[in-house]
Amino acid sequence: QSVLTQPPSVSAAPGQTVTISCSGSLSNIGNNDVSWYQQFPGTAPKLLIYDNDKRPSGTPDRFSGSKSGTSATLGITGLQTGDEADYYCGSWDSRLSSEWVFGGGTKLTVL
Amino acid sequence: QVQLVQSGPEVKKPGASVKVSCKASGYIFSTYGITWVRQAPGQGLEWMGWISAYNGNTMYAQKLKGRVAMSIDTSTSTAYMELRSLRSDDTAMYYCARDKSKGWPTASDHWGQGSLVTVSS
Repeated sequence: QSVLTQPPSVSAAPGQTVTISCSGSLSNIGNNDVSWYQQFPGTAPKLLIYDNDKRPSGTPDRFSGSKSGTSATLGITGLQTGDEADYYCGSWDSRLSSEWVFGGGTKLTVL
Repeated sequence: QVQLVQSGPEVKKPGASVKVSCKASGYIFSTYGITWVRQAPGQGLEWMGWISAYNGNTMYAQKLKGRVAMSIDTSTSTAYMELRSLRSDDTAMYYCARDKSKGWPTASDHWGQGSLVTVSS
């Protein structure tokens, strides 16, 4: 059971918009920044969004991040078949055993 | 360009130790941190810990404390992760990644290719 909760899967058609949620608590998302990672099968994860809403160079502006309270959201507009991948959110968790935590991951299917 | 090149696959018996290396290039090693993440077959990402390449400070996942040790060699810009008392559920792909901060675990912006560790009798 992951500390950050993501839907196991989402799907949408090419060209549409999809959002992936990441729900946490005050000890993590509520008081710390969120980052998002994209992972294709058999490859290493890639940073998509950091500090809640910042895009590293190389991340298309079709990808956006937002945070409100103890939840964060990754948005993808103009879906492409090449966006089909697993997406993970992550944040620092400052409970007793302070450590970084990831969500369980969301499989995006582009129909 | 920033590159992290990890050591090759390992097969270990239960109870043994494994040490994975991660050689960095293309940036000033001591100005960032290194994060280690593992992924069991078909599972999600699991954070193992972080080490500052600036001063060697470490932070480990509670679950692995006592079995994991991370270190750096600034002379060769290489980070190491050693996991002891291996069990079958340690079988996973192990990734190193450059952390954007040298002072605290934050986001990881460049990743190694992964090192597969298989634990089997």
